[in-house]
Amino acid sequence: KAGVTQTPRYLIKTRGQQVTLSCSPISGHRSVSWYQQTPGQGLQFLFEYFSETQRNKGNFPGRFSGRQFSNSRSEMNVSTLELGDSALYLCASSPLTGNLETQYFGPGTRLLVL
Amino acid sequence: DAKTTQPPSMDCAEGRAANLPCNHSTISGNEYVYWYRQIHSQGPQYIIHGLKNNETNEMASLIITEDRKSSTLILPHATLRDTAVYYCIVRVVFYGGSQGNLIFGKGTKLSVKP
Repeated sequence: KAGVTQTPRYLIKTRGQQVTLSCSPISGHRSVSWYQQTPGQGLQFLFEYFSETQRNKGNFPGRFSGRQFSNSRSEMNVSTLELGDSALYLCASSPLTGNLETQYFGPGTRLLVL
Repeated sequence: DAKTTQPPSMDCAEGRAANLPCNHSTISGNEYVYWYRQIHSQGPQYIIHGLKNNETNEMASLIITEDRKSSTLILPHATLRDTAVYYCIVRVVFYGGSQGNLIFGKGTKLSVKP
């Protein structure tokens, strides 16, 4: 079974731009969660989608948004990019909502904001 | 929301047991303790979780104190491949059964040395 895939793997943007990241979960998984990882803050939960509905949301500003499609693929969008948005963005999929023990992570998208 | 504190780094000799502590003094009765690890440049990997009883699986053991305010992850025979950042996570459950937010600490960087 193929793992979680994320595209693109690397991205460079400038302040004020917006960006869309994509995540394809493991086949059959309906839950997709997004995380931001930075050296200063560690790993922080952004949001979780299950069956096209946002189930949980972390403490991030409204510039961070996401959606999930009927095939469980998910996208994350960040508008009006700031320098502090430079981070590794990780996507994780699971068969069930909020099920951490069966949550598999993708390799991440490394975003650099200049 | 409960939060966790972990030492930023630890060393362990190869073949010896690695004991990684975590404090979660504000944990509430229905919150589980989860452990994940992240090997450099890879996504986090689930290790083990528990509520109040000690748990063991093929990867590790989890010891939770009786008051549940702290826990210890034990890798019984650490190898060089166990070098990673280890995250202790307390899972928040909101009323109504939804999975709630996932709060990660900054983790402990474990270095296993030959």
